Amino acid sequence: KAGVTQTPRYLIKTRGQQVTLSCSPISGHRSVSWYQQTPGQGLQFLFEYFSETQRNKGNFPGRFSGRQFSNSRSEMNVSTLELGDSALYLCASSFPIAGGPGYNEQFFGPGTRLTVL
Amino acid sequence: GQQLNQSPQSMFIQEGEDVSMNCTSSSIFNTWLWYKQDPGEGPVLLIALYKAGELTSNGRLTAQFGITRKDSFLNISASIPSDVGIYFCAGHSNRGSTLGRLYFGRGTQLTVWP
Repeated sequence: KAGVTQTPRYLIKTRGQQVTLSCSPISGHRSVSWYQQTPGQGLQFLFEYFSETQRNKGNFPGRFSGRQFSNSRSEMNVSTLELGDSALYLCASSFPIAGGPGYNEQFFGPGTRLTVL
Repeated sequence: GQQLNQSPQSMFIQEGEDVSMNCTSSSIFNTWLWYKQDPGEGPVLLIALYKAGELTSNGRLTAQFGITRKDSFLNISASIPSDVGIYFCAGHSNRGSTLGRLYFGRGTQLTVWP
């Protein structure tokens, strides 16, 4: 069974540009979460999607957005890039999302390394 | 939001030694998790703990869910070179709208000398 895949693996952008990152979850997984990892802040939750709906959002500015498609693939977009957006962006998928609030194991992809110059 | 304090920040040990790291939280969690991250990879789940007081082993790894639900520790026995990496604790809360959101510690960088 293939793992979570993220594309591209590496990306270099300049300030002010925008970027779109892609995540393909494990086959059959319906929930996708995104995290930002930086040396200064560690792993920070961005958002979570299930059935094409954003279910939860972390404390990031509106420049960070995402979406999920009917096949559960997800994209995240960062507009008007800032130097501080340089980070490893990790995607995690899980199945199934519980009807209740219980934890469902999340499987992480290798991440997209974004560098903003 | 919940803050997780993970210590130590880094450890330098000799092969064969035991390792212990811990994590404390300002809030209660329903699930405690321990991950390992290798360079260029995403975190990989090592152990999941679901009940206060639970002690769980996975090979040379042992982790415990604190009875207050605000802390957890991970022990690695008889370390080997492939244990090198960054270890993260993470907590999950069943409350309200948190759903799948995980809160992570800052990580413990483990270096093993041969």
